[in-house]
Amino acid sequence: NAGVTQTPKFQVLKTGQSMTLQCAQDMNHNSMYWYRQDPGMGLRLIYYSASEGTTDKGEVPNGYNVSRLNKREFSLRLESAAPSQTSVYFCASIEKNTGELFFGEGSRLTVL
Amino acid sequence: EDQVTQSPEALRLQEGESSSLNCSYTVSGLRGLFWYRQDPGKGPEFLFTLYSAGEEKEKERLKATLTKKESFLHITAPKPEDSATYLCAVQPNDYKLSFGAGTTVTVRA
Repeated sequence: NAGVTQTPKFQVLKTGQSMTLQCAQDMNHNSMYWYRQDPGMGLRLIYYSASEGTTDKGEVPNGYNVSRLNKREFSLRLESAAPSQTSVYFCASIEKNTGELFFGEGSRLTVL
Repeated sequence: EDQVTQSPEALRLQEGESSSLNCSYTVSGLRGLFWYRQDPGKGPEFLFTLYSAGEEKEKERLKATLTKKESFLHITAPKPEDSATYLCAVQPNDYKLSFGAGTTVTVRA
């Protein structure tokens, strides 16, 4: 039972480079989320997808794009990375009946 | 705009010394309030969901309570393995969840 799987776990980019963080869940959840976590700031919502085919902006969407490829997969793209995007990124999906969020292990991104 | 404020930022406890963490919130409507535990280098782990004022939930040494404006996480007789960052999150009347900055708890033996 894999739960929520994120790749890559670590990545170093140069300013201006692009990359995509991949996320997949095998729990048949409808809603999926991308958060970033910075020291002292908790988890901040970047984008979420309430259901397949829909995406919405969270608190800090600037500089990011997302794609809900199908029910299982929700990817996060940085088109032109900036040092301010150095962070730990978490993908999550939600069990609708209990409200429990299931998180991936995180992707640690450094932009030089 | 939804806001979640957790206090204190850090809490140092002696083993067996009970204490409480606070989560105050302002939301347009509350679908649920959640507590998570996060260990260093890992993703948050679900603890509780509270849906309405007056509700309480317990799990081992942890007890969560909810009022109309805040939630408390009580840690009774903590052990070193309870050391972690505890996160509070609120879900308003859609599918967005907003997290507080967390309280880092350190329990010394």
